[in-house]
Parts: sequence; structure tokens; C-alpha cells
Amino acid sequence: AQSVTQLGSHVSVSEGALVLLRCNYSSSVPPYLFWYVQYPNQGLQLLLKYTSAATLVKGINGFEAEFKKSETSFHLTKPSAHMSDAAEYFCAVNGYNKLIFGAGTRLAVHP
Amino acid sequence: EAGVAQSPRYKIIEKRQSVAFWCNPISGHATLYWYQQILGQGPKLLIQFQNNGVVDDSQLPKDRFSAERLKGVDSTLKIQPAKLEDSAVYLCASSLDRSTDTQYFGPGTRLTVL
Repeated sequence: AQSVTQLGSHVSVSEGALVLLRCNYSSSVPPYLFWYVQYPNQGLQLLLKYTSAATLVKGINGFEAEFKKSETSFHLTKPSAHMSDAAEYFCAVNGYNKLIFGAGTRLAVHP
Repeated sequence: EAGVAQSPRYKIIEKRQSVAFWCNPISGHATLYWYQQILGQGPKLLIQFQNNGVVDDSQLPKDRFSAERLKGVDSTLKIQPAKLEDSAVYLCASSLDRSTDTQYFGPGTRLTVL
């Protein structure tokens, strides 16, 4: 069975501060891991994807994530938050031909 | 390249009524998905098509939900009769082939059941 746990349903940071969104996964087979972003009243947009190549994955808009097998984690980071980063972020795992999403983390960025 | 199209964007119905949602995937994408996203939760897969065939419908409430993908392109998701707990955003996504490929999402249909 697969599952995803996103720690923190809400995260608030100052503009220019480090963004860290946490994701832990469970999978009995080597997983594919994804981070998606959802802006209000829009569908999900892929930020980045891990497919067992490099453990550090760079995505769009300055985001990156590191796959740590020993910690079963795939945390999302961005060195400097921008107001436009305010959105909901979803971590997802795919190991059995099905994408399983976490509950999401709402990121707020304040001036 | 055109993205995944969905209509309508919003729908309000009363319980026990029926409703249908339409999805047009990205051209050439063999796999199509319908997800249900309840407020405050991540999307949950309802059904997955590979071309015309159903790959996974294990979480589709088949007593009230149905879906079809005619000719391996457009798809329709129907709810009949609707219940209050069906209020959610229904997202359609498509991918080139397997579900490990990147899935591209449409804007969703927000359903409110009164």
C-alpha cells in the first residue's frame, strides 16, 4: 500500500524567507514522487517529479526537492519566498500505477 | 499546446438530481483520469481510462457514479442521483501513457449539492 503524509496543513513565511514543505511517503516498491501546486480555482500544475535518477530534483519557479530513501521523505524547498508562491501544495506518490495525494499544505507569504 | 478542457466550471444542483461533467484531454494522451477533491483534502482517483478501457475504478461509487470515454478521446462523468456529500471539485487529468508519466490537470468543475 502507498500513502503520503504532509506535515503542516498551513505554513506561513515572510517574503524572502526559506520555504520548506514537508512530505513523507510510504511505498513497498520504488516510488515515483511528485509535487503539484494549485492556485485558487485552478487545476493542479506539476512543480517537479522524482523518477529514481538524481535524488535532488529541480522544478519550476525555483523550487527543488530532495529524495531521501532512509527517511522516506521528499521535502519541497525554495530559498526565497515570493508573494506569488502563495498557493496549496500537494505531494503525491505513484508506485502501483495510481497517484496517491497527500492532504495538501497551504502556503501563505506575507510582506 | 492546448491543455485539458473541462466543462462546466461550476454547477449547483439539488440532492437527488443528476449531473454530468465533460472532459477533453490533451491531444494524443492515451490515459485519462477523473479525480474528486473534497474541500481541504487532496484529490482522490475515481476512475482511470487507458484509451477506451477502464484500468481502475475501484474507488468509484458505482451505485451513483458512471463514466465513459468514447473513441478514446473525450470523457463524461455522471452522478445520478447526487447526494450532499458529492459536493466537491471534479478534476480531469490526462497523461501520455502510463500513470507514472506526468499528469496534466484541467481547471476542474466545482459541484455544489444543496
